Amino acid sequence: DIQMTQSPSSLSTSVGDRVTITCRASEDISNYLAWFQQTPGKAPKSLIYAASTSQSGVPSKFSGSGFGTDFTLTITSLQPEDFAIYYCQQYKSYPLTFGGGTKVEI
Amino acid sequence: QLQLQESGPGLVRPSETLSLTCTVSGDSITSRSANYRWGWIRQPPGKGLEWIGNIDYSGNTDYNPFLKSRLTVSVDTSKNQFSLSLSSVTAADTAVYYCTRRTVNYPTDVWGKGTTVTVSS
Repeated sequence: DIQMTQSPSSLSTSVGDRVTITCRASEDISNYLAWFQQTPGKAPKSLIYAASTSQSGVPSKFSGSGFGTDFTLTITSLQPEDFAIYYCQQYKSYPLTFGGGTKVEI
Repeated sequence: QLQLQESGPGLVRPSETLSLTCTVSGDSITSRSANYRWGWIRQPPGKGLEWIGNIDYSGNTDYNPFLKSRLTVSVDTSKNQFSLSLSSVTAADTAVYYCTRRTVNYPTDVWGKGTTVTVSS
C-alpha cells in the first residue's frame, strides 16, 4: 500500500494568514494526488485533483503543487470558513489511501 | 445534480453483519458506465478517512485488502443503488460511512452525507 504522510498534523493560525500543508507519498504517485476539506459534521469536499487542478467552484485561494512523492496545499488569506481539517489522497493505485489530516485552527 | 444517500441500521451488534445501501439520484448508475466507480469510505470517530472499496456498474470490485475477507460490495442497477456488507463486525468498525463516486483516474468527487454506524451490544 502507498502510505501518505501529512504534516503538520495541526497548526494554529489567524484570519488573513497564509498556510502551507505538505503531503508525502511512500512511492512515486506522479500527479495522482487530491486534496479534501472537511468541516465538523460534514462530508469531505474535493478541492484539488491531479495535484494542482482546482475543482469547479473552488476559490483561487486554494492551490496545490507537487509531483512524484512531495506535494503541498497552500491556502491564502484564511477566512473563518477555512478553518477545517484537510486531507490528501493518492488515487494512483489501490487501495486508495489518505493522509492523516491537518487540522487548521484559529 | 448527482446525489448519494446512505441508508441502513445505525446500530449493529458485535459479530453480526453491517449492511448499508446507497441510493443514487440525479443520474443513472449506468451512465458513462465504464468510467464510474461507486464506493465506500469510512471515518471512525475523531479519526481520519479510510477507503473501503468500490464497484462499477457491471459488478467489478476493488477492495481494501485490510477488509477484503469480510467485505462485499454489490450493485443493483434496476434500483440505481449499490450496497456494502461487512461481516463479523467489532467496535473497530464503528464509523461514519460515506458512499461515494469517482471517475477512473480521478479521485472521489461526489460524497453522500454519511451515516453513523455504531457496533455495540
